[in-house]
Amino acid sequence: DSGVTQTPKHLITATGQRVTLRCSPRSGDLSVYWYQQSLDQGLQFLIQYYNGEERAKGNILERFSAQQFPDLHSELNLSSLELGDSALYFCASSAWGGLTETQYFGPGTRLLVL
Amino acid sequence: GDSVTQMEGPVTLSEEAFLTINCTYTATGYPSLFWYVQYPGEGLQLLLKATKADDKGSNKGFEATYRKETTSFHLEKGSVQVSDSAVYFCALSANSGGSNYKLTFGKGTLLTVNP
Repeated sequence: DSGVTQTPKHLITATGQRVTLRCSPRSGDLSVYWYQQSLDQGLQFLIQYYNGEERAKGNILERFSAQQFPDLHSELNLSSLELGDSALYFCASSAWGGLTETQYFGPGTRLLVL
Repeated sequence: GDSVTQMEGPVTLSEEAFLTINCTYTATGYPSLFWYVQYPGEGLQLLLKATKADDKGSNKGFEATYRKETTSFHLEKGSVQVSDSAVYFCALSANSGGSNYKLTFGKGTLLTVNP
């Protein structure tokens, strides 16, 4: 158990809909990352937050947004969903987001868009 | 940009066989290097890491050495077990702007160990 929790575990929705994925980092970690894992793209970095502020952006679509709240939990919002958004979404956390730090991953949310 | 290339799988071995999974990287500056493992139905967990050239990371019988001259971080284990069956990801952490760092992953290598 990494100490990172994600809800829900599974999500099935239709094209055009909007969903919210939630992540609680390990106790004491200030940095949260979101990743998307799909068969064709592999593991892709989406976005990073540190202590409530956006720090870095990766291959995140404009239809996707995220935020980190004062209690440090984070939410990833996916809107106008398309079939190609079906993937496993992971959240990870680390203490402060440094070069040598280990990122601890949650169990993931499996999103299926029908 | 930064990238990680690891050997394509799947890799199928018999128990007690020797394992090597090759990983090479391209990055500016001095990245940190990681191997993560993903067991079926689970998230990723750190297997080992190395943060500077010639460092050797090791854990659970797995080893990898940070080779700056060949930009490689190959994963090895002398005698694999059935319980090692999983997907293995090589990754690097490098600067993504300012004082921010992000992980870039290879595509993963599926390892199956048969009894």
